[in-house]
Amino acid sequence: QTVVTQEPSLTVSPGGTVTLTCASSTGAVTSGYYANWFQQKPGQAPTTLIYGTSNKHSWTPARFSGSLLGGKAALTLSGVQPEDEAEYYCLLYYGGAQPWVFGGGTKLTVL
Amino acid sequence: QVQLVESGGGVVQPGRSLRVSCAASGFTFSNYVMHWVRQAPGKGLEWVALILYDGNVKSYADSVKGRFTISRDNSKNTLYLQMNSLRPEDTAVYYCANEYSNGWFRFEYWGQGTLVTVSS
Repeated sequence: QTVVTQEPSLTVSPGGTVTLTCASSTGAVTSGYYANWFQQKPGQAPTTLIYGTSNKHSWTPARFSGSLLGGKAALTLSGVQPEDEAEYYCLLYYGGAQPWVFGGGTKLTVL
Repeated sequence: QVQLVESGGGVVQPGRSLRVSCAASGFTFSNYVMHWVRQAPGKGLEWVALILYDGNVKSYADSVKGRFTISRDNSKNTLYLQMNSLRPEDTAVYYCANEYSNGWFRFEYWGQGTLVTVSS
């Protein structure tokens, strides 16, 4: 069974920079995993921030960026705002019978 | 503007069935892969199922395979999830989401979700 692992929680100061990562139990994450990143605030539906590892939607704030880092997918927030406090989920593509697997989520606290 | 509106959730007894729907508007529905994703209370997101453009290809998570069926009606711009033999662990908010597979596997919009509670 494939497991996707994220940091359970991270804390960052307003204006700071933080990187969230997304690792696969199958090995290094590459561009072929087409990582998507989602933000979910309490009581709300998720919203999509990043697709295809590093591509932003028109609504994605410029301070969010996606990349590959040390064999993992990564989401970096630069110049963190208080409204960025949320849960963040990555989603990786494996193809086959069960093509998509979510990470467990990272709770980001802005303090 | 794009809208995905889920409906059909409710309270159902274990072993019974329920069908939830997702009405889509604001985009060309038949050009998109559609997904169901669920979230148990206080837990993370779990991918449930997907269906390709004309409905001829479907995939399911192991946790629902053989019990849930995803379908779509492109003439009605509506996605469905038929849930049979429901279990208490199926209790969750069920979200639909669209994906534009232009080589980037681009998830885009999500609905607001519909709550399914399996309890006697």
